[in-house]
Amino acid sequence: ETGVTQTPRHLVMGMTNKKSLKCEQHLGHNAMYWYKQSAKKPLELMFVYSLEERVENNSVPSRFSPECPNSSHLFLHLHTLQPEDSALYLCASSQEPPGGSDEQFFGPGTRLTVL
Amino acid sequence: GNSVTQMEGPVTLSEEAFLTINCTYTATGYPSLFWYVQYPGEGLQLLLKATKADDKGSNKGFEATYRKETTSFHLEKGSVQVSDSAVYFCALRTKSGGYNKLIFGAGTRLAVHP
Repeated sequence: ETGVTQTPRHLVMGMTNKKSLKCEQHLGHNAMYWYKQSAKKPLELMFVYSLEERVENNSVPSRFSPECPNSSHLFLHLHTLQPEDSALYLCASSQEPPGGSDEQFFGPGTRLTVL
Repeated sequence: GNSVTQMEGPVTLSEEAFLTINCTYTATGYPSLFWYVQYPGEGLQLLLKATKADDKGSNKGFEATYRKETTSFHLEKGSVQVSDSAVYFCALRTKSGGYNKLIFGAGTRLAVHP
């Protein structure tokens, strides 16, 4: 595997379900990000992990819970979601300076539908 | 605050037409500016970037010039192809809390017809 991978690519869940999204980066980067992409809205930054510490939590509801067990893996745990949470969830990684260009590399996303 | 505004789409062009997608920004200081592209069913890919005023980023026939006086970073291509059909995002990078943060525009969908 190369680059940034995300699983699953598609997920349909009910409002009472608990599920997790997984992201893995194979680039040796030290920062990882979760974004939400909804129709006709700018990408919304949700969480940032730098050196495995959460450095940003952008007023995201507690029904979204991130986890970064190591520098290569990032999870987004979901529970009691609402239909308006249906969106494409994108993971990205970057190598923060010094020693990196800080370009963000994106995964293909998980298309989430909440019924 | 920092923000990015791009022209609304969709932009529909015939093959070999000239493309311009407008992007303006509001930011304190001198941010780096980016264009990302998202092809159907994929994540975002960096298309080009510019890190200081008057820099021109270019890639795959696309160009954009960092204009500080007009706070703009318009994307241009002289002759588009069907394979350029995608959503294009303008973004700026700011430093926040010791790490770099990207702020995106809403995206502009481009459809190129044969």
